[in-house]
Amino acid sequence: DGGITQSPKYLFRKEGQNVTLSCEQNLNHDAMYWYRQDPGQGLRLIYYSQIVNDFQKGDIAEGYSVSREKKESFPLTVTSAQKNPTAFYLCASSIGYSVNEQFFGPGTRLTVL
Amino acid sequence: AQTVTQSQPEMSVQEAETVTLSCTYDTSENNYYLFWYKQPPSRQMILVIRQEAYKQQNATENRFSVNFQKAAKSFSLKISDSQLGDTAMYFCAFGPDNTDKLIFGTGTRLQVFP
Repeated sequence: DGGITQSPKYLFRKEGQNVTLSCEQNLNHDAMYWYRQDPGQGLRLIYYSQIVNDFQKGDIAEGYSVSREKKESFPLTVTSAQKNPTAFYLCASSIGYSVNEQFFGPGTRLTVL
Repeated sequence: AQTVTQSQPEMSVQEAETVTLSCTYDTSENNYYLFWYKQPPSRQMILVIRQEAYKQQNATENRFSVNFQKAAKSFSLKISDSQLGDTAMYFCAFGPDNTDKLIFGTGTRLQVFP
């Protein structure tokens, strides 16, 4: 089945630790995205990548980092510099080339203790 | 700056009735796409319907239809014959034609009552 997987579903970390969230897609999509979702704030774009080995900052990139070494994978690292990392994180992908329609993974709930 | 506004944080409707969710957006672009996404309690985002701005005809998908008013920059979602499974957060999203990015509204929480 084609789709986007995110793991783990729930993640707990101690304050000050870096943590990496996984996102994999087998849809052969060129573009991938990371969003953060907080209550009452909708989805806010963290980083996006339109092609392998290239990515751009979104609206709230501070305290986060990404890599895009393979077309299928777009991992997000939440660093200790992120002041309020507890949130729900969604990964998405799209064909690219301004088609816009995005397909989403099931999300990861990160809780920093 | 391009923005998307959903002015109804919460709505409720009785099963089998019709409900309309509002969305307005602000842009100077002429070509763009508009979307409604559904996020049920499982939190999996699902595309409900999409509209291309150059198309005057309103998009429909079974019980879901939109009222797209380009001049007013309005894009409302109508759900007919509401079902319990329609209970979810609904997000309106705007995508300019010259970019892959989407801009999301803050969402409307819809509760369908039996």
